Formats: sequence, C-alpha cells, structure tokens
Amino acid sequence: DAKTTQPNSMESNEEEPVHLPCNHSTISGTDYIHWYRQLPSQGPEYVIHGLTSNVNNRMASLAIAEDRKSSTLILHRATLRDAAVYYCILRRIIQGAQKLVFGQGTRLTINP
Amino acid sequence: DADVTQTPRNRITKTGKRIMLECSQTKGHDRMYWYRQDPGLGLRLIYYSFDVKDINKGEISDGYSVSRQAQAKFSLSLESAIPNQTALYFCATSEGGQGIGNTIYFGEGSWLTVV
Repeated sequence: DAKTTQPNSMESNEEEPVHLPCNHSTISGTDYIHWYRQLPSQGPEYVIHGLTSNVNNRMASLAIAEDRKSSTLILHRATLRDAAVYYCILRRIIQGAQKLVFGQGTRLTINP
Repeated sequence: DADVTQTPRNRITKTGKRIMLECSQTKGHDRMYWYRQDPGLGLRLIYYSFDVKDINKGEISDGYSVSRQAQAKFSLSLESAIPNQTALYFCATSEGGQGIGNTIYFGEGSWLTVV
C-alpha cells in the first residue's frame, strides 16, 4: 500500500528556510505527491502538490527526486504561523476512486 | 464563513447511543469525504461520495454509515457508538473529474467523545 515516511518532529528558527523531507519508496507512476499542513485546532490545509517536476507557489516549494521516491517541502522563510504538523501524502486512484493516504506527519516548531 | 462546515464541533455521548455528524459545503464540489484522526495515526478515510447517488467505503467504514442528502450535504452516523470511536472527525470536499491533483478542502473538525 502507498506509504510515506516523515520525521516525527523538526525545529527551526524564524525567518530561516525549512526543508521537510518525505520518503515514499512505494510510489507508483500515477501517484501525485501532496503536502498538507494542520495548524492547532484546525483541519488540514492544502500546501502544494506535484507529480514529477519541482513546483513553486506562494506558500512553499516542492522538490521531487528524479526517481520520485522522495520529496522535500521547502518553506523559504519560516514564520511563527508556519508552526504546524506537515503531512506528505500520496494521492492515488484505487479501483476508480481517488484516495489520500496520510502518514503521521512532521510536527514543525518555529523558534522566535 | 467556512467553505466546509461541520456540526457539532464537540459532542460527548454515551456508549450505545446513536450520533450523527453533519457536514455542509458551499464550494459546489461533487466529492465529499469523512476522515477520522487519532493521535499519532494521521487521517484515515471512513467513507467518500462522488455525487448524491454514489457512496463508497473507505479503509475504516465498520461501525459507521453515511448519507448524501444533497450535493452540499454529507452526514456521518454512528448507529451504536463505542469508546474506541472517540476521535476527531473531518469532513472534506474536492472537485470531480480525472485530475487527481485536485485540492481537498477540510472542515474544522468535530471532536467526538464516547463514554
């Protein structure tokens, strides 16, 4: 089954870049890589997604390894509001249905 | 106003009672989902619906049922609640079609405690 592996926690300082790694060695050719984050007492929030090429948006960048077995979410300049649990997710079609497979996520702490 | 609204936000119920969690969305999406979150386990899919006439089981559907009353409404029921169904429940929506890059939008969650 699709599975992602992330560090349980990471810590960084405000205004510094943060690189959040994710391993997904069982990824298949049609799986999209999604990142969501969950702030305290809130539902998960979409951050970014990609298939093969690196992606940038206003929130973050996503760097995908050439073999697609790992990816890295990059927050270019962390703020205190970026403190959250970050989920790396494979989105795949199983028996015609789209499914998100959530892992345990990485709890990111930002120090002032 | 939230695009995906869940009610109630918090509920304590007794073992054996029937409880319904309701979800409504204003995004006009065809697809709706119910997830459960337990500490240290991420989110697990309970049920999903692609449109009003389409209901599908997720990975942990036992002990739950759902109803898609309209495109905008998707409710989750626990017919006879048990303590291990104590969890944080999320409703979510996404656009239809084959683009599986589509974003999923989550509600703010419903805390359910079964005592």
